This record gives sequence, C-alpha cells and structure tokens, in this order.
Amino acid sequence: GEDVEQSLFLSVREGDSSVINCTYTDSSSTYLYWYKQEPGAGLQLLTYIFSNMDMKQDQRLTVLLNKKDKHLSLRIADTQTGDSAIYFCAESMGAGSQGNLIFGKGTKLSVKP
Amino acid sequence: GAGVSQTPSNKVTEKGKYVELRCDPISGHTALYWYRQSLGQGPEFLIYFQGTGAADDSGLPNDRFFAVRPEGSVSTLKIQRTERGDSAVYLCASSPSHGGKYEQYFGPGTRLTVT
Repeated sequence: GEDVEQSLFLSVREGDSSVINCTYTDSSSTYLYWYKQEPGAGLQLLTYIFSNMDMKQDQRLTVLLNKKDKHLSLRIADTQTGDSAIYFCAESMGAGSQGNLIFGKGTKLSVKP
Repeated sequence: GAGVSQTPSNKVTEKGKYVELRCDPISGHTALYWYRQSLGQGPEFLIYFQGTGAADDSGLPNDRFFAVRPEGSVSTLKIQRTERGDSAVYLCASSPSHGGKYEQYFGPGTRLTVT
C-alpha cells in the first residue's frame, strides 16, 4: 500500500540550511506537498510540486523531487527560530484520485539560536 | 478571507457517548475532507465530500463514524458509542477544486478526548 516515510527529528543552528527528506511509494502521485504544523496550530500548506517537475523554489524554500527514487526534499535556507515546527510530507493518492492525501509522520525541526 | 473553522476546539466525553464535530470550510470550496491525527502521527484520511455527497468514505474506521454535508458547505462528523481509541485531533480541510492541484487548507482541529 501507499506509505510516506520521513526522519523524525532534525536539529540545526539559526542561519544554517535545513534539509528535510521524504520517501514515498505511490509512483502515480501527481502532486507532492509540504505542510508545516506549529504547536497547537493547524497544518499550514508551505509548498507543493507537480510530479513532472524536479525542482521548485519559493523564497527560502526549495523542493527537490527525484521521481525515479521516489524521494522528495525540502530545503529551508537561512533557518530561523520561527521555523521550528513539525514538517509533513504528503502525497496525493494516485493518478486520477480525488486528492486525498497520505502523510508521513512528520519531521520535528528544532532551530537553536 | 476567513479560513476553515472547526468547533468545538476541545471536546471531552465519556466512553459510550455520542459526539458531533463541526467544520465550516472556506466559502466557495466545493471539496471537504476529514482527517484524524493521533499523537506523534501524521493526519490519516477519513472521508471526502465533493459538494453534498460523500465521494470517498474509505478511511472511516468502522460504522460508528459517519459524516454529512447536507447543503454542500458545513460538514458534521458524527461518532457513536465513542471509545478511548477515538481520542485524537480531528482535522477538516477544504479545497477549491476537485481536479488539479488539490490544495487543501486545514482548520485548527477539534481535540477529542474520550475518558
């Protein structure tokens, strides 16, 4: 079945770059997403990438997609303490789907001053 | 404009009771989704509405769970005979499109605790 895997923790120093990795199993996923969840808050859509792209940049965020290896990464440049949160990778459930998302367990990013 | 809202924000109930959780989607969004998030996990899909109809309810764990969206806007998730294992944060999301990018916008969730 479909599965999305992420490492659970990442710790970086303020000003460094953060790279959060994700692997997924459904090769027919059309869109892949990154969501951010701060303590006590809902999920915030950060960015997404269409499966026929291999890179997308949006200000401090860069998404890289390796479709052959089913590997997705999120790079946050110049990481700030406000970036501390849990980051979820999600894939849409297959081609022609209704957009139901499968999420990973989330990577907790800690940014040290 | 206003985002997705969910009420109540917290609900504590006793085992065996019935609960209703409400979701107000972003105005004009035709698609609405319910997810459940347990501690330390990512959200898990429960049910999806396109308009008034439940297009996919394959994520509902059993027949104690039911959801409605009678007028194609507000949705209510209903749980009968609650069990302690139902304790979780219930998230609602809405999307402006059925096809395409599926950009889902989430509400803050309802934290359900079954004692």
